Amino acid sequence: AQRVTQPEKLLSVFKGAPVELKCNYSYSGSPELFWYVQYSRQRLQLLLRHISRESIKGFTADLNKGETSFHLKKPFAQEEDSAMYYCALSPRSGGYNKLIFGAGTRLAVHP
Amino acid sequence: GAVVSQHPSRVICKSGTSVKIECRSLDFQATTMFWYRQFPKQSLMLMATSNEGSKATYEQGVEKDKFLINHASLTLSTLTVTSAHPEDSSFYICSAIRDGGTGELFFGEGSRLTVL
Repeated sequence: AQRVTQPEKLLSVFKGAPVELKCNYSYSGSPELFWYVQYSRQRLQLLLRHISRESIKGFTADLNKGETSFHLKKPFAQEEDSAMYYCALSPRSGGYNKLIFGAGTRLAVHP
Repeated sequence: GAVVSQHPSRVICKSGTSVKIECRSLDFQATTMFWYRQFPKQSLMLMATSNEGSKATYEQGVEKDKFLINHASLTLSTLTVTSAHPEDSSFYICSAIRDGGTGELFFGEGSRLTVL
C-alpha cells in the first residue's frame, strides 16, 4: 500500500535550534517525494522535491531508499519557519501528479 | 505566478441541498486538476482527478454520484456535493497542473463546507 507517515503532529523548537521533520513512506516502486508547506492563512505550496536536490529557505531533504525516509532538515530554525509541513509521495515516476500526503507536522519556532 | 482560486471560500448549507465549489486557474491553462478533502487536523485525501473534456477519475471509496466533477474548460473545474449531509462537512482543496509546465501542482486556498 502507498502511505506517507509523519510521526510528529507538533514539533516545537527555539529560534536557532536545528530542526528535523520526519517522513517515512511505503511504496513498492520508485516514488517521487516532496515537501509542501502551508503558512498561516496561506495556501499549500511546494517547498522542495527530492529529484532537484536543492536547498530552499535553508531546508534540505535527502531520500533514503534503504530506510524509506525523506526527512526535512534545517540547521538553524527561524521564527518565520513556523508553519504546517506536509510530506508527499507521487507514485507516478517523473511527475508531480496524484500526490499522497502525510498527516502533516506543525513546526512552531519560538523566539 | 501560477494562481489557483477557489470559490466560495466558505459555504454553509442545509442538509439535503447541493453545493457547487469552483476551482479556477487564473493565469494558466490546466487540462488536469485534482480535488482533495481535508478533515480537521488530518491530511489531504485525494478524491478525484479532473480532466478537461472527459470524465473525472475517482479514487477508491469516493462516490462519483455524490461528488460530481465537471471540467468544462481549461481554466475551470467544479465540484458539486449533491444531497449534502453533515458528514460531508469538510475542507475541500483543488490543485492544478499548468499545461506545458513542469508538472508542479498549484493549490487553491480551499473551500470550507459546513452542512447543517
